[in-house]
Amino acid sequence: AQSVTQLDSQVPVFEEAPVELRCNYSSSVSVYLFWYVQYPNQGLQLLLKYLSGSTLVKGINGFEAEFNKSQTSFHLRKPSVHISDTAEYFCAVSAASGGSYIPTFGRGTSLIVHP
Amino acid sequence: NAGVTQTPKFQVLKTGQSMTLQCAQDMNHEYMSWYRQDPGMGLRLIHYSVGAGITDQGEVPNGYNVSRSTTEDFPLRLLSAAPSQTSVYFCASSYSRGGQGGGYTFGSGTRLTVV
Repeated sequence: AQSVTQLDSQVPVFEEAPVELRCNYSSSVSVYLFWYVQYPNQGLQLLLKYLSGSTLVKGINGFEAEFNKSQTSFHLRKPSVHISDTAEYFCAVSAASGGSYIPTFGRGTSLIVHP
Repeated sequence: NAGVTQTPKFQVLKTGQSMTLQCAQDMNHEYMSWYRQDPGMGLRLIHYSVGAGITDQGEVPNGYNVSRSTTEDFPLRLLSAAPSQTSVYFCASSYSRGGQGGGYTFGSGTRLTVV
């Protein structure tokens, strides 16, 4: 079985500052990795995904994430945040082969952007 | 608009009552899942389906039943509601089992309160 740990439950940051949301995973098989965003009172939307190949993946709204196999991490970054980035962010993992292919989600990180 | 439609958006039940949460998608996705979201717990998988007529249990299946008679619909039934089932419920679908295509598409959720 795979698991996901989001290391910070809440990340406060000022507008236009850089931000990093941390995610570590555990799996005995190769994985696909995802970041989703949830705005208040809405469902989840896909931000970006890592399937294979380049370890740096770019997503929507200026976000990017880097897959680090040795560290089993998939941290999300944005160089300059906006007020509108305030939301809940979820890291998710699914098995690429074998294992549980239904995505397992972390507990979420609340990004709070202050003016 | 194409997507995942959940009804109702809000529901209050008394302990012991039964109800069905509806989920429909019009993207011809084979894979569908139900998650519950609780504060600090992230999303936990209740049940999932890999196609019409095929369902399986997730991490927290107790107290819930599902069926999948068509590709489009995946209802979630609460047989005898308990206060512990107070939560926000999300239905999600994907054309690829691990979400490696466009990820999973989520509905906007059903907020359920059991009193």
